[in-house]
Amino acid sequence: EAAVTQSPRNKVAVTGGKVTLSCNQTNNHNNMYWYRQDTGHGLRLIHYSYGAGSTEKGDIPDGYKASRPSQENFSLILELATPSQTSVYFCASGDWGASYEQYFGPGTRLTVL
Amino acid sequence: GQQVQQSPASLVLQEGENAELQCNFSTSLNSMQWFYQRPGGSLVSLFYNPSGTKHSGRLTSTTVIKERRSSLHISSSQTTDSGTYLCALERTSNNRIFFGDGTQLVVKP
Repeated sequence: EAAVTQSPRNKVAVTGGKVTLSCNQTNNHNNMYWYRQDTGHGLRLIHYSYGAGSTEKGDIPDGYKASRPSQENFSLILELATPSQTSVYFCASGDWGASYEQYFGPGTRLTVL
Repeated sequence: GQQVQQSPASLVLQEGENAELQCNFSTSLNSMQWFYQRPGGSLVSLFYNPSGTKHSGRLTSTTVIKERRSSLHISSSQTTDSGTYLCALERTSNNRIFFGDGTQLVVKP
């Protein structure tokens, strides 16, 4: 079964601090994604990756960096966290085959004070 | 403009009633996926449905590409169906995924 894990599950950070959110997938999918979800909204794409070493900007990349050091791992980095980045962050993996489906991690709740 | 629009934004039902959730899109698509999300929870895939009709228990998904719409029908709703239903569109031109804002469903006993 597809598996996407995220760490940490909850994080409290201070304004101006550095935050790294980690995602690991055991699906051997080429594509990985980072989304944020704010109350009452769907998911918005921050960064995504087509494979190890690649990162692409999504719809709302400002204030975020991404790193894909391997097929399995995809990190989201907030170099200087701000309160506006308080949100729930979801990682997903997916690949093109007979069908294209995305599999999501459990989410990370980030609070920036 | 927004690529994917969901309606209604919220819906309250009495247990046993049926629900029809809509997803309309403004661009050509490769695929359409429906997700269910509990409050504070992760997303669970309900259907991957690029076209036609699919059934799963009390749920039915219908995607009509030329009309640029997809629907999710819930029959005989139960209180455990409460949560948020999201549709996601994979766009043909660049294989990007776009989500709607979701429909928040509350089923009362």
